[in-house]
Amino acid sequence: GENVEQHPSTLSVQEGDSAVIKCTYSDSASNYFPWYKQELGKRPQLIIDIRSNVGEKKDQRIAVTLNKTAKHFSLHITETQPEDSAVYFCAAPKYNFNKFYFGSGTKLNVKP
Amino acid sequence: SQTIHQWPATLVQPVGSPLSLECTVEGTSNPNLYWYRQAAGRGLQLLFYSVGIGQISSEVPQNLSASRPQDRQFILSSKKLLLSDSGFYLCAWSQVNYGYTFGSGTRLTVV
Repeated sequence: GENVEQHPSTLSVQEGDSAVIKCTYSDSASNYFPWYKQELGKRPQLIIDIRSNVGEKKDQRIAVTLNKTAKHFSLHITETQPEDSAVYFCAAPKYNFNKFYFGSGTKLNVKP
Repeated sequence: SQTIHQWPATLVQPVGSPLSLECTVEGTSNPNLYWYRQAAGRGLQLLFYSVGIGQISSEVPQNLSASRPQDRQFILSSKKLLLSDSGFYLCAWSQVNYGYTFGSGTRLTVV
């Protein structure tokens, strides 16, 4: 099956700094890569996604980059705020079906 | 717009008792449906997925089963719960090649 590795497992940054979370995947046919944010006790929510026909996508303070050759994609959060504190999950699909395998999660702590 | 409903929100059940969690989706047809489990402080484990009525695929052999009696209804069941079944259960739906929308989750504690 698809193997998705996510690093780091925990990340602590000062408010206003940037945070970067990286994921690698194994199936070269994967073509869609979502990122989810999960606040404590709540459901994961889709925050940004990228398709394999682009290398970068931005939405205000968050961006995702994709390197298909190296099979890795990253989440970038700039000007971090305390409300960005949460667990972030990356995911990659199984090629022939819309079934996703998730990374193990990154707990981001933004210190005020 | 599409919505997903999952209930109950919390559940405390004794070991050996049965389980039934229900999930329904509104505002879309023929969605892909999923059940995930999340242990405390851990990642998301895919349990079952379904591409249509009566079509269920199991990812992990375990004490659970799933059914899809209607297009937009997905049920997770167990005949006899184990302590290890405790966790946060999440239902999700998607259209092909799009990300998931998760339900609000059920926090199950088996005692």
